[in-house]
Amino acid sequence: QLQLRESGPGLLKPSQTLSLNCAVSGGSIIRGGASWSWVRQAPGKGLEWMGYIYHSGVTRYNPSLGNRVTFSLDRSQNQFSLTLTSVTAADTAVYYCARSPRVALIYAVDWFDAWGQGLLVTVSS
Amino acid sequence: DIQMTQSPSSLAASLGDRVTITCQASSAISNDLNWYQQKPGKAPKLLIHDASNLGAGVFSGFIGSGSGTEFTLTIKSLEPDDVGTYYCQQFHSLPITFGQGTRLEIK
Repeated sequence: QLQLRESGPGLLKPSQTLSLNCAVSGGSIIRGGASWSWVRQAPGKGLEWMGYIYHSGVTRYNPSLGNRVTFSLDRSQNQFSLTLTSVTAADTAVYYCARSPRVALIYAVDWFDAWGQGLLVTVSS
Repeated sequence: DIQMTQSPSSLAASLGDRVTITCQASSAISNDLNWYQQKPGKAPKLLIHDASNLGAGVFSGFIGSGSGTEFTLTIKSLEPDDVGTYYCQQFHSLPITFGQGTRLEIK
């Protein structure tokens, strides 16, 4: 069974850089047609898709994040990562990593059938 | 971006009730619409994909329908475990967007 698990710091100061990892077990991130996304949820708010990365390393980001976000893959560790620069209090959220199976390969992302448990990141001085 | 609007934002219903949640897209998205259930402190769980297809292992008491811009999620008979927040999500075009959520409680 596919499992995802986020890791990283839980507390940051404004202007710092957030780096999170998503370790995948029970399946390979470089096989199949799946894409791998980050989704975040501010406290008491809804879900915001941040972007995806393919096993090839191709990425696409939500324009709402500007040029602050970067995703990367570590094929040897079967994990993918998120980097978000210049964080502010507005970036305080639970960060989830998730898999999209891409059953119909015409879509870069279809639905999210596997999620990590989420990691709360707080930005505060 | 395609805006997804859910209604109602919250509702309370009695056990055994039939419950319906609506999701409206700001432009036509064919049937490129998914539904999730989220319980407090947990990740969302896929319920319905492609507007009307049950996710793997999902109880058949959930029914999804709709196409174009109007979609509904129906719970045939409300059970205690159905309490939570429900989100719709479109994948017709990027960026992926979610509805604002519908909080469901037991009356």
